[in-house]
Amino acid sequence: EAGVAQSPRYKIIEKRQSVAFWCNPISGHATLYWYQQILGQGPKLLIQFQNNGVVDDSQLPKDRFSAERLKGVDSTLKIQPAKLEDSAVYLCASSRLLNTEAFFGQGTRLTVV
Amino acid sequence: EDQVTQSPEALRLQEGESSSLNCSYTVSGLRGLFWYRQDPGKGPEFLFTLYSAGEEKEKERLKATLTKKESFLHITAPKPEDSATYLCAVQAGSGGGADGLTFGKGTHLIIQP
Repeated sequence: EAGVAQSPRYKIIEKRQSVAFWCNPISGHATLYWYQQILGQGPKLLIQFQNNGVVDDSQLPKDRFSAERLKGVDSTLKIQPAKLEDSAVYLCASSRLLNTEAFFGQGTRLTVV
Repeated sequence: EDQVTQSPEALRLQEGESSSLNCSYTVSGLRGLFWYRQDPGKGPEFLFTLYSAGEEKEKERLKATLTKKESFLHITAPKPEDSATYLCAVQAGSGGGADGLTFGKGTHLIIQP
């Protein structure tokens, strides 16, 4: 079974630029999550999708972050404009059913300079 | 607000020296407590889910236990390949289909040969 795929693996941008991350979850997984992991911290949930609908985006900074999940499969997370404090690893995860374990991708490491 | 505190922040052991990692939590209605392992540059890898106080789960040299306020990850006779950051997370019964995890900062474990 293929795992959660994310791209790119690394991205360096200047502050105020925009950036987008892509995620392809495990086949058949209805639930998709985006987490932000700052160096030395645990992952922090940004947004949860169930199929193509948003279930929880209470911790998403909506003035600069946006996310969508097309046709209930792939998802894109966008930051516009980026700030220095957005430097982090952005992790995508998926789970087959609600309240079951989530499987994580390798993440995208974003550096904002 | 759900909170997860892990201790110690870092732990260095000799190969074969058993120990325990602690995860204390406060959550409004625990739905599940999760343990993940994270290697440098990778996403978290699922280890265990515990659902109720008194529950225990084992996998190779690892055993996770759960009480009403904390969880322990016991490592028996560890090997160098057990070196990683171990993350604890809680899933709250917030309803509405939201089941994202609240993570602790992790325990960075180093096993020396």
